[in-house]
Amino acid sequence: SYVLTQPPSVSVAPGQTATITCGGNKIGREGVNWYQQKPGQAPVLVVYDDNDRPSGIPERFSGSNSDNTATLTINRVEAGDEADYFCQVWDGRSDLGVFGTGTRVSVL
Amino acid sequence: QLQLQESGPGLVKPSETLSLTCDVSGDSISTGSHYWGWIRQPPGKGLEWIGSMHYSGTTYYNPSLKSRLSISLDTSKNQLSLKLSSVTAADTAVYYCARHAQSWGYYYMDVWGKGTTVTVSS
Repeated sequence: SYVLTQPPSVSVAPGQTATITCGGNKIGREGVNWYQQKPGQAPVLVVYDDNDRPSGIPERFSGSNSDNTATLTINRVEAGDEADYFCQVWDGRSDLGVFGTGTRVSVL
Repeated sequence: QLQLQESGPGLVKPSETLSLTCDVSGDSISTGSHYWGWIRQPPGKGLEWIGSMHYSGTTYYNPSLKSRLSISLDTSKNQLSLKLSSVTAADTAVYYCARHAQSWGYYYMDVWGKGTTVTVSS
C-alpha cells in the first residue's frame, strides 16, 4: 500500500515559517490534502488538492507538491498554529484513503 | 451549516461487534457527489482511513479491515453507520465520521464530526 512519510516534529519561532514535508513515491502525481489537529479536537482541513484553501483558512497556509515530496508551509507562525499536521492522498489504484504519519509543530 | 455527530457504545468486549452511527445535519447524504465515511485514531497515534460510501451504493473499504467491516447509509434518517466485527484491543480508538469531497477524482475529508471514543476491553 501507498506510504506517506512525515518528520515527527518541527519547531519554529513565532513569526517565522514552518515547513512540513510529506514524502511518497511519485506523490507529485497525486492531489495532496493537509489536516490540522489540535489536542483533543477533530482534524480540520487546511489545504486540499495540493494548494487550495477551504474558506476560513488563513492565507498563511499554503501547499506545494512535486516529484516525491509534498510540502505544507505556514508563514508568520502564531502560537495557535501549534498542532499535529497530517498529509493525505487518495490512492486511486486501490481506491482508499492514505494518511501520512503526522508531524507535531511546536511554536517556541 | 453541516454538522456530523457520532454516537455509540464507549466500551465493547473483545470478539464482539462495534457499532457506531453518525447523524448528519445541514446536508443530505442522498444527493450530490459526496461520499460519507469513517476514520479512526488509536490513542497517541496517527489517523487511519476506514472506509466510505456513496448513496448510489459504491463503497470503498480499507483492505486491512475489509473482512470485518460494513458501512451503510440510511437516507431516511440522514445517517451513516459503521459495523466492525471481531474486535480486539487494537481497535481501541477515537472514531470520526467525515464527509468526503472530490477533486479531479481524488477524495478528501472536508467536514469531520467531533469523534467518539471506543475502548475494547473485557
